[in-house]
Amino acid sequence: AQKVTQAQTEISVVEKEDVTLDCVYETRDTTYYLFWYKQPPSGELVFLIRRNSFDEQNEISGRYSWNFQKSTSSFNFTITASQVVDSAVYFCASMNTGFQKLVFGTGTRLLVSP
Amino acid sequence: DGGITQSPKYLFRKEGQNVTLSCEQNLNHDAMYWYRQDPGQGLRLIYYSQIVNDFQKGDIAEGYSVSREKKESFPLTVTSAQKNPTAFYLCASSKGRGNQPQHFGDGTRLSIL
Repeated sequence: AQKVTQAQTEISVVEKEDVTLDCVYETRDTTYYLFWYKQPPSGELVFLIRRNSFDEQNEISGRYSWNFQKSTSSFNFTITASQVVDSAVYFCASMNTGFQKLVFGTGTRLLVSP
Repeated sequence: DGGITQSPKYLFRKEGQNVTLSCEQNLNHDAMYWYRQDPGQGLRLIYYSQIVNDFQKGDIAEGYSVSREKKESFPLTVTSAQKNPTAFYLCASSKGRGNQPQHFGDGTRLSIL
C-alpha cells in the first residue's frame, strides 16, 4: 500500500529565509509518481511538480527546488528566499501506475512573516 | 479560461437532508474525482470516474453518491447516511490514464445547521 508522510505539521520562517519541506513515501511499486501541491488560504490545490520514479534528477524552478532520493524514499521541497505569498499548506502525494489514485500526506503549513 | 468550477462555495445541511455539490470542467478531461478534506488532514478519495457513465468508490464512499452522465459534470450528493459531513470538498479532473496531474476546483465547504 502507498503511504506519504509529512512529519512537519507547521513551519514558521521570516521572509527571505530558505525553508525545506520534507516528504517521505512508501510504495511497493517500482514505477510510481510523486507530486507536490500548494493550497493557499483560498482553498484550491495548485499543482507544482510531478516526478517519475525513474528520474532522480533534481529540479529547480525559480525559487523552488525539489530533491528526489530513492535511497531514502524522500522527495523534499525547498523554497529559497521565502516570501509572504509562499504562506500556504503544501501537500506531497504519490501515485502508482494504472489507476490515477493520489495518496496525500497530511500537509505542512508554511507561515512566512514579513 | 479552462478550469474546474465547483458550486456553491459554502453549503449548509439540515439533519436528514441530502445535498448536492456541483463540479463542472471544461478541460476536456476524461477522469474526475471527489475528495474530502478535514482540518489538519490530507485529502481522502470519495469517488472517481474514469469515463462517462462509469464511476468507482474511493476510500470513504459510504454516505455519498455520484453520477457521471456528461463528460463535463460529476456531481456529488451527500446523503443523510453520512453522519459527519462537515468538511471541505474538492473536485478534480485529469486527462486519464498515465501520470497526468490532477487539477482541482476551488472547493465547497459543507457545514451542518
